[in-house]
Amino acid sequence: QKEVEQNSGPLSVPEGAIASLNCTYSDRGSQSFFWYRQYSGKSPELIMSIYSNGDKEDGRFTAQLNKASQYVSLLIRDSQPSDSATYLCAVTYSGGGADGLTFGKGTHLIIQP
Amino acid sequence: GAVVSQHPSWVICKSGTSVKIECRSLDFQATTMFWYRQFPKQSLMLMATSNEGSKATYEQGVEKDKFLINHASLTLSTLTVTSAHPEDSSFYICSATKGGRSPLHFGNGTRLTVT
Repeated sequence: QKEVEQNSGPLSVPEGAIASLNCTYSDRGSQSFFWYRQYSGKSPELIMSIYSNGDKEDGRFTAQLNKASQYVSLLIRDSQPSDSATYLCAVTYSGGGADGLTFGKGTHLIIQP
Repeated sequence: GAVVSQHPSWVICKSGTSVKIECRSLDFQATTMFWYRQFPKQSLMLMATSNEGSKATYEQGVEKDKFLINHASLTLSTLTVTSAHPEDSSFYICSATKGGRSPLHFGNGTRLTVT
């Protein structure tokens, strides 16, 4: 059974610091990896996607993928109070965004002003 | 691109009535859409996979006769909660993908309250 594990938190980070969110997955055949942000009472929104080993940067966000160790992480630089949300890690096996998408339970991030 | 529209955003209905929720992919065609449910402070739960032109595939424990899914076109899927009860009150979210390695894009969700 494919599993995606995240620390539920809450993870508390002071404003301006780097927030580091981690995710591990069980299926070595996983090919596509996504980070979603979900504010309370809202639906998830896509932040980052990553498909190959290494780092991918987009503004203040950096996704890191290590397939050998089966983990994917999300770094948020210069954290802002508006970054406070639940961050969901999602992993697919088939290479398609549709099939086999498995979500972690999410990490609750709190940015302290 | 990749906008998914969901309607209504919230609905209140009486116990025993049915509620229909629409999910549309506005700028792309989606042969497959997904319906999720989320209870407060809990993770997303996949309910069913909606396939255009064929029957939906339901996850274990989800009653297909209670949660009717219709995917009549490449841009529209509907979820009908039949004979709703208070325990069906939840946040229902649809999602769609362009296919291939594209990620899922979510609608804004529908908050259902059954009184």
